[in-house]
Amino acid sequence: SQTIHQWPATLVQPVGSPLSLECTVEGTSNPNLYWYRQAAGRGLQLLFYSVGIGQISSEVPQNLSASRPQDRQFILSSKKLLLSDSGFYLCAWRADSRSSYEQYFGPGTRLTVT
Amino acid sequence: KQEVTQIPAALSVPEGENLVLNCSFTDSAIYNLQWFRQDPGKGLTSLLLIQSSQREQTSGRLNASLDKSSGRSTLYIAASQPGDSATYLCAAILTGGGNKLTFGTGTQLKVEL
Repeated sequence: SQTIHQWPATLVQPVGSPLSLECTVEGTSNPNLYWYRQAAGRGLQLLFYSVGIGQISSEVPQNLSASRPQDRQFILSSKKLLLSDSGFYLCAWRADSRSSYEQYFGPGTRLTVT
Repeated sequence: KQEVTQIPAALSVPEGENLVLNCSFTDSAIYNLQWFRQDPGKGLTSLLLIQSSQREQTSGRLNASLDKSSGRSTLYIAASQPGDSATYLCAAILTGGGNKLTFGTGTQLKVEL
């Protein structure tokens, strides 16, 4: 069976500090991977998605970036955090199949920028 | 641009009641629609996915319907239980370009004893 992991679970960082959040998927190959953010009082917003190693599409211009160094690893980064980067970050995966559209989410990382 | 709306924003019902959660989307050219459940501080749990060629899907006490022509989906929960208390999110899946999800803002459900 497939599982998705995210770490850390919670993170408190000062403004201007760097960020690295990691997401890994087990039990599948060549998944489509997604980063979402859920900010207080706002809905879930797609930040980045990837259909393969090194292939990243950005949905929202911001000071965040994403990378996919390995098939089942997706990393969200920032060089300098802003207060507005606070939120709940969720990673998701979908099978690379024309007949499978369901997305599955990880447990999330709660980021507080102080 | 696809917009997804969920009504009501919050709902409180007594245990055992049947209930309906509503989801509306502006672009009927969606490919699929997925319903999720989110417990406080947790990730999303997929409940049901309805493909555009389908009109409904059922899983246990849950039944989701999709009417593309009217831009609506409903999630029916039968015989609600306190354990059903959570936020329910619908998301429209657009074709192409990674099959991205556009989420509604959710309905916060509380089932009381």
